[in-house]
Amino acid sequence: DAKTTQPPSMDCAEGRAANLPCNHSTISGNEYVYWYRQIHSQGPQYIIHGLKNNETNEMASLIITEDRKSSTLILPHATLRDTAVYYCIVRVIKLSFGAGTTVTVRA
Amino acid sequence: EPEVTQTPSHQVTQMGQEVILRCVPISNHLYFYWYRQILGQKVEFLVSFYNNEISEKSEIFDDQFSVERPDGSNFTLKIRSTKLEDSAMYFCASRDRIYEQYFGPGTRLTVT
Repeated sequence: DAKTTQPPSMDCAEGRAANLPCNHSTISGNEYVYWYRQIHSQGPQYIIHGLKNNETNEMASLIITEDRKSSTLILPHATLRDTAVYYCIVRVIKLSFGAGTTVTVRA
Repeated sequence: EPEVTQTPSHQVTQMGQEVILRCVPISNHLYFYWYRQILGQKVEFLVSFYNNEISEKSEIFDDQFSVERPDGSNFTLKIRSTKLEDSAMYFCASRDRIYEQYFGPGTRLTVT
């Protein structure tokens, strides 16, 4: 599995965009980039995934660099309910969770 | 919106006892998974299941663990003889042919 690197934590102001970086320099050509989040004590929640192109859904946007070695998850207008641990994952079948980034949205 | 459900939400058992954790995946999904998360640690893959057989399992998933889809709707994880270190949150997940895995709310297993 390609390994990912994320900052351990970040703060974000409510109403502002949160940009979460992820490095995955060893990603192979057929591996997708997935983002999940885990709100305290709940099951992980799927956010978005992509292969090469940038993706957007109702929750977030995913920007993948042209060389695919890194990506950024963008939460366009962070709310207090977005406080969670965010995981960047690059394997499809079994999800290998790293430590993730703990995002704290402050009022 | 369809969701994965798990029962019980909390199970307390004594060391050496057998436990069965139950999951009802989303009805048209074909792939099923169990993960666990020891308190304060990361989520760990246990096993994946497709077409009535295990497709992949981790080193954690030893002979004490088994999975079953007994009736076409439930998906169960059995731990034959629980150990203290089995205490964790156990998450079930399912997916269809598309790649997103949907997770249940988890069962907290406490082994005393």
